Amino acid sequence: QVQLVESGGGVVQPGRSLRLSCTASGFTFRTYAFHWVRQAPGKGLEWVAVISYDGTKTSYAASVKGRFTISRDNSKNTMYLQMNSLTSDDTAIYSCAREMGYCSAGSCYSLDAFDIWGQGTMVTVSS
Amino acid sequence: QSALTQPASVSGSPGQSITISCTGTSSDVGHYDLVSWYQQHPGTAPKLMIYEVTKRPSGVSNRFSGSKSGNTASLTISGLQAEDEADYYCCSYGHGYTYVFGTGTKVTVL
Repeated sequence: QVQLVESGGGVVQPGRSLRLSCTASGFTFRTYAFHWVRQAPGKGLEWVAVISYDGTKTSYAASVKGRFTISRDNSKNTMYLQMNSLTSDDTAIYSCAREMGYCSAGSCYSLDAFDIWGQGTMVTVSS
Repeated sequence: QSALTQPASVSGSPGQSITISCTGTSSDVGHYDLVSWYQQHPGTAPKLMIYEVTKRPSGVSNRFSGSKSGNTASLTISGLQAEDEADYYCCSYGHGYTYVFGTGTKVTVL
């Protein structure tokens, strides 16, 4: 079935790094853009980053720009989030989400919404 | 990239209609018809309810509807049911290939 599974979370000290993975199954991974969204304990959703279907376009929230890097490997149906210089403000559940879209007549189009979500992986930044 | 503003809580009795507002700026909600809404029950992943301001994905009840006027988008739930009790978030595309979520609204069915 269509699903996204995150991995790589854990407890890390402030200033250290962590890499998250998001592995997809059940659909054609290479035709979709993907996002990372985080949710701090008891707080709301925060958009983190996006990567286009072919990896040529990326964008980040101001809160993580310059510290986080989003990437993907279409041969492995996997997306990544490299997180550097972590602080306690980065403590959250990190979820990957597929950007809704469709393909027609050989072209693919985005609908700028998130239709498939993973269950998330917890990242705790603490000394 | 400030969060879109939503009321912290909205409540209603079964069968009633409620509306959740989502206020942004002329750089996001007011500029693009790319507002989406998500329902999140405790401990679960968000579920897409509305995209492109007014469209419902397949499988979403027609009790859920979306609209927009100026910098404010709205989600209306009609015929409120116990299962609608959840947190709701709006989201908008913004300038420069960015996205911003709303602050979230807790819906309580009385």
